[in-house]
Formats: sequence, structure tokens, C-alpha cells
Amino acid sequence: GDSVTQMEGPVTLSEEACLTINCTYTATGYPSLFWYVQYPGEGLQLLLKATKADDKGSNKGFEATYRKETTSFHLEKGSVQVSDSAVYFCALSERGSRGSQGNLIFGKGTKLSVKP
Amino acid sequence: NAGVMQNPRHLVRRRGQEARLRCSPMKGHSHVYWYRQLPEEGLKFMVYLQKENIIDESGMPKERFSAEFPKEGPSILRIQQVVRGDSAAYFCASSPRDRGSSYNEQFFGPGTRLTVL
Repeated sequence: GDSVTQMEGPVTLSEEACLTINCTYTATGYPSLFWYVQYPGEGLQLLLKATKADDKGSNKGFEATYRKETTSFHLEKGSVQVSDSAVYFCALSERGSRGSQGNLIFGKGTKLSVKP
Repeated sequence: NAGVMQNPRHLVRRRGQEARLRCSPMKGHSHVYWYRQLPEEGLKFMVYLQKENIIDESGMPKERFSAEFPKEGPSILRIQQVVRGDSAAYFCASSPRDRGSSYNEQFFGPGTRLTVL
């Protein structure tokens, strides 16, 4: 079945460092891809998305490009801030999978800690 | 427009008791999804409902778990005779009526953290 694999954390960076969180996927069709962020004690918030190959999603300085040839959707940011400390989840959604309308399949999450 | 509401935020139950988790979707949203997050794990899909219908329950355990989304009122996830392994965070998400687009964004609630003693 469909699955998402993302790099394990925790990841600890200093403020203004570059961030890359790797994410690869396995899917039978042509999924949409997402990055969600979870701040402590809160629910998930959509960070960015890409719905077809070569699309680039971007938000709040974060970017990810849908690479069909490598089945990847790595999250990047050029300069992280303390406020970026959170858990980041890569996810995919295949419309019509098992008859459902896009339930999300998540990776295990990567905890990011940014130190001042 | 209020976001997705879940209550209670924290729920403690003893083994064998029942747990009822509530989810009020965003206004105008008719699709509800339930996910479970075990410690140190990602979220796992449990069930997808529309008003008065269960569309996909492929992620629900076969026993003790049930879900509903009545015509009026919140969606309810019910766990009967809870066991310690049910301890997790349960998240609800809602999305608007399907308009045939490739994807309708899911908006997540803050979750209910269930602890079974």
C-alpha cells in the first residue's frame, strides 16, 4: 500500500542554519503531497502542498518540490528561526483510495529544535 | 469562522470504561476524518464520515471502536472497554463539500489526548 518515509529526528539546529528534512513516498497513482507542522500541544497545520509532479509548494520560507522521478518531497528552509521548533509531518493523499476522498497517509514525523 | 473543535482536550479513563470523543467540524464542512497518533508515531487514518454516513472505516479496529456523524451535532468517536493500548492522541479533521477538485484541504482540530490507566 501507499506509504511515506521521512528522516528520523530529532534534528537540532542553530538559528539561521539551513534545514532539509527528507521525505520519500510510495504510491500506486499520482498523489498530492503535503507538509504539516505540529506545534507543542496543538493540532496539525498545513504548511505547504503540491498536487502534481514538478510543483513547488512554499510558505513561511519553507519550500518543497514534488519530484516524481525520485518519489521525493524534501522540505527545505534557508534560515530557520527559534519559532520553527515543532514536529514536521510529510503526508500524501490519493483521491479515491479505497473509495475515500483523500484520507491522508503520514510519515512518522521529524522533531525540529532550533536553538538561539 | 471558528476552527475544528474537539472536546475534551484531555480524557482519563480506567481500563474497561468507555471513552467518547467529540468533534465539531468547521462551519460549512460536511466531511469528517478521524486519525490516531500513538506516542512517537505519525497519524494513522481511522475513519471518514459524511453526515449520517460512514464512507470509509478501513482504519478502524474491528472491535470496540465506532464512529458517527449525525445530521445534527458533532461527530463522535466511541471506544468501549478501553485498554492501555488505546492511550493516544485522537485528531479530527474536516473538509468542505467535495466539488470535484483533486483535493480538499483538511483542517485539523487540537486533538483529544486519551490516557487509559
